[in-house]
Amino acid sequence: AAGVIQSPRHLIKEKRETATLKCYPIPRHDTVYWYQQGPGQDPQFLISFYEKMQSDKGSIPDRFSAQQFSDYHSELNMSSLELGDSALYFCASSLTNYGYTFGSGTRLTVV
Amino acid sequence: GIQVEQSPPDLILQEGANSTLRCNFSDSVNNLQWFHQNPWGQLINLFYIPSGTKQNGRLSATTVATERYSLLYISSSQTTDSGVYFCAVGTGANNLFFGTGTRLTVIP
Repeated sequence: AAGVIQSPRHLIKEKRETATLKCYPIPRHDTVYWYQQGPGQDPQFLISFYEKMQSDKGSIPDRFSAQQFSDYHSELNMSSLELGDSALYFCASSLTNYGYTFGSGTRLTVV
Repeated sequence: GIQVEQSPPDLILQEGANSTLRCNFSDSVNNLQWFHQNPWGQLINLFYIPSGTKQNGRLSATTVATERYSLLYISSSQTTDSGVYFCAVGTGANNLFFGTGTRLTVIP
């Protein structure tokens, strides 16, 4: 069965650079979520989209933005990267009243 | 947001032993999931269990929604069970709130 696909798997950026992470949800899932997991931490909710419209917002910095496109894939854009942005970034998708499925994550390292 | 507490925070087991992990949450929920995060960082969905009991092989889970807790049972543990187990809860179509996890180490 198709899963949630994230790319790239690993990304190394320098401070003040920009990064774009991509997520392809499971077909027919209506909601996409982005989470950030710092070292030794639990995943923290950033932002979600329901049917391509932003539906909820968590602790997402102003330097970050996200959108969901007409083909349902989503992108998380991060600008002016800081060392503290180094983390695992997960995308998940779900169908209303069903569980989440997470992608394998993108490991971002800011140097 | 909803508060989620997991216990114990750390657990070391001998291979073949059984264990019970607990998740308490502070509000009514209609979504509760248990995840296993393996040493490579992947979050694997174990159970979607907002209420009731489910079993999948050596793993089973029970959620008592009226008392706001859930239990994950691991029987005959194997070294591949090592990792962090997260409980996550949510309401409606809203985002999931994660607990701080239980780090399980199974030694041969």
